[in-house]
Amino acid sequence: QKEVEQNSGPLSVPEGAIASLNCTYSDRGSQSFFWYRQYSGKSPELIMSIYSNGDKEDGRFTAQLNKASQYVSLLIRDSQPSDSATYLCAVGRSNYQLIWGAGTKLIIKP
Amino acid sequence: SQTIHQWPATLVQPVGSPLSLECTVEGTSNPNLYWYRQAAGRGLQLLFYSVGIGQISSEVPQNLSASRPQDRQFILSSKKLLLSDSGFYLCAWSGDPDATNEKLFFGSGTQLSVL
Repeated sequence: QKEVEQNSGPLSVPEGAIASLNCTYSDRGSQSFFWYRQYSGKSPELIMSIYSNGDKEDGRFTAQLNKASQYVSLLIRDSQPSDSATYLCAVGRSNYQLIWGAGTKLIIKP
Repeated sequence: SQTIHQWPATLVQPVGSPLSLECTVEGTSNPNLYWYRQAAGRGLQLLFYSVGIGQISSEVPQNLSASRPQDRQFILSSKKLLLSDSGFYLCAWSGDPDATNEKLFFGSGTQLSVL
């Protein structure tokens, strides 16, 4: 059974701090790794993608991938209340083979 | 730019009634189209995907079906809804489905409640 696991949270982080979200996966053949943000009642929105080991930075967001340990993480620096949402991790070999985690609910406290 | 439209936004249907959800994409040709379902507190579950007109692949056996009558139109249907069909239905599109780095773009979703 191919799985993607995330801590459901909620993860509560003070405004301005770093939020750290983690995701582990079981399929060693996975080649694509995505983080989507989903506000309550809304559709997911892609915020980061990563395909090779290491870090990838985009603004306040940093994705980290470690294929040997089978985990991918998302760091959000200078967290803002608008970052409060559920963050979904998606992992797979192709778009029709993506496996989705259940998401981590992030709450940024002012 | 590409846009994806999905309707209706919310739907309340009795058990045993039919269902039709529609999704259209603008601004691109021959998109790959997907129907997902998200149950409360669960990850996204891929229901169907399509790489072209009339080409439908089903990921989960169930009482739902999908059709792609036109290049940029994707329809999710059911003849008789079950209580377990309740959930948040999402249409999405992307480029090459065999590619490993293609982003998925989602429609606004349909919240379906079967009572």
